Amino acid sequence: QKEVEQDPGPLSVPEGAIVSLNCTYSNSAFQYFMWYRQYSRKGPELLMYTYSSGNKEDGRFTAQVDKSSKYISLFIRDSQPSDSATYLCAMGPGANSKLTFGKGITLSVRP
Amino acid sequence: GAGVSQSPSNKVTEKGKDVELRCDPISGHTALYWYRQSLGQGLEFLIYFQGNSAPDKSGLPSDRFSAERTGGSVSTLTIQRTQQEDSAVYLCASSPGFRTGYQETQYFGPGTRLLVL
Repeated sequence: QKEVEQDPGPLSVPEGAIVSLNCTYSNSAFQYFMWYRQYSRKGPELLMYTYSSGNKEDGRFTAQVDKSSKYISLFIRDSQPSDSATYLCAMGPGANSKLTFGKGITLSVRP
Repeated sequence: GAGVSQSPSNKVTEKGKDVELRCDPISGHTALYWYRQSLGQGLEFLIYFQGNSAPDKSGLPSDRFSAERTGGSVSTLTIQRTQQEDSAVYLCASSPGFRTGYQETQYFGPGTRLLVL
């Protein structure tokens, strides 16, 4: 079993839909949880950053972390065609250590 | 301000040749990471530098892979005797490196796409 599991998709939704992306993990040492967005032939860019359990909202994006279930989610409201990209969950234990990534899911938002 | 830059953008090489990939981190960032992204495998950690030292080399897949960082800035990832399975996108990331008890945001470069024929 990999340390971080992410549904590989792909996922296609109509414009305006609510999108839910999820990852599960097995390493209890993970304390910091991130979502990166990666456009085709570009490097990943940080979208959301959360420490420990809880919710964080930024515009149309909400990140949720449930450490008791080892489960993290990213919700995208009112999805737009410009949200079409690959979304990667990432997590780390802290102390500027390496990040462990999910495999990523490719999202397509249809106009 | 300038982000993380990597060169070359693309590299095509023949099996058995050596390649060097370069990373210029964000100015002032002391922490630097190399990752590899291949189809079906996602992003995999290779090596982490703090300054010129590499406290975590655990992700280097074989002794054909090595990396160095000089002057606390530029880093070079070298792959010797390349194999077809080395074909991937090699990504570099940097972070400030100041808050050692904390997971700082890692900022990624655009990557180098390596194809080994």
